[in-house]
Amino acid sequence: EIVLTQSPGTLSLSPGERATLSCRASQSVSSSFLAWFQQKPGQAPRLLIYGASSRATGIPDRFSGSGSGTDFTLTISRLEPEDFAVYYCQHYGSSPPRLTFGGGTRVEIK
Amino acid sequence: QLQLQESGPGLVKPSETLSLTCTVSGDSISSSSYYWGWIRQPPGKGLEWIGSIYYSGSTYYNPSLKSRVTISVDTSKNQFSLKLSSVTAADTAVYYCARHRGQQLVTFDYWGQGTLVTASS
Repeated sequence: EIVLTQSPGTLSLSPGERATLSCRASQSVSSSFLAWFQQKPGQAPRLLIYGASSRATGIPDRFSGSGSGTDFTLTISRLEPEDFAVYYCQHYGSSPPRLTFGGGTRVEIK
Repeated sequence: QLQLQESGPGLVKPSETLSLTCTVSGDSISSSSYYWGWIRQPPGKGLEWIGSIYYSGSTYYNPSLKSRVTISVDTSKNQFSLKLSSVTAADTAVYYCARHRGQQLVTFDYWGQGTLVTASS
């Protein structure tokens, strides 16, 4: 079973700053099967990135994903007020089919 | 625009079965060749995949819940459903239904708003 560890648990930043969120897998995974979600209070998660680096429909280009193997990163180039939220990484394993989520990183206003 | 809506009881007694339905609008489950899934989130905690179903009825379950979960699809009503048996307080969570992106099981692109289910006597 793949375990995803996200760090830091909380990131305190100001609007306009750059946010760098980490997702580490317990073993090497295919970047095709790594996604990132944003979740605001009281809302369902929203898909930001799939395939480690492809933005989902309608996602602003200040959001970018990168990484391979066991280390993946979500970067928000310049934080907007609406970006303060919790972010989850998610992996799909195919044998047997299984989807797992990381524990989340909260991005809060400093 | 695709929309998903969860429905079902908000309160379930311990040891009983939780039953939820997801109604899909804006697309046909039977003609779109997508996978459909259930995810839950205990209050203040992270996300857990429960299981998924293909439009044809093939199912895939989280091994940690497999013995208690049944997911089914009713294409005539454009709905899919979740049953979780023998619930305990640990099953209290917001339950989301979602569509898998790109006709693969890999991730989710459309989500329902979620429904809170509390397991309590």
